[in-house]
Amino acid sequence: TQLLEQSPQFLSIQEGENLTVYCNSSSVFSSLQWYRQEPGEGPVLLVTVVTGGEVKKLKRLTFQFGDARKDSSLHITAAQPGDTGLYLCAGARGANNLFFGTGTRLTVIP
Amino acid sequence: ETGVTQTPRHLVMGMTNKKSLKCEQHLGHNAMYWYKQSAKKPLELMFVYNFKEQTENNSVPSRFSPECPNSSHLFLHLHTLQPEDSALYLCASSQVIEKLFFGSGTQLSVL
Repeated sequence: TQLLEQSPQFLSIQEGENLTVYCNSSSVFSSLQWYRQEPGEGPVLLVTVVTGGEVKKLKRLTFQFGDARKDSSLHITAAQPGDTGLYLCAGARGANNLFFGTGTRLTVIP
Repeated sequence: ETGVTQTPRHLVMGMTNKKSLKCEQHLGHNAMYWYKQSAKKPLELMFVYNFKEQTENNSVPSRFSPECPNSSHLFLHLHTLQPEDSALYLCASSQVIEKLFFGSGTQLSVL
């Protein structure tokens, strides 16, 4: 059973378009993180959300944590080729347990 | 540069070989982790060390043997691996679970 399901699994869009990716679970997490991973590299943390309903913005990226702290979304405005990568959500439960989602592989076409 | 360095970047080994992966962090963190990333599967936590003590072993087969001599260094010793163990092995460090810093990984191929 996969704790965190991400959708869509793959997404290919044109430069300048907007997109939203989702991270869903039936479990409650104390916090939720989003990472981006580029080919040949490890994941890099983008943001951590802690409070139910919290919204954080990072330039063209908007992250939202669900009210019940079970799900999250990532919205990218005016996507650019540099946004291409694997987007991973991760939910924390306890001091050592971090569960990663299945990932969304985004390709932004110039 | 995230402050977490992994070597080697690529490794090809036979099923009877013994090899080791190395991870070093320069961030002063207290916790270090080994993750396995396979195609079409989520990142899988393998081991966690806090202050050099192993605090998590996620039912990992004994052919994977971790070693943490101090808070800055972490090794993963490999022996008699199987082809299905081929994957990207990622090391990470953190001060808190909400903020992991990953290395670039070791791409392992078992023939």
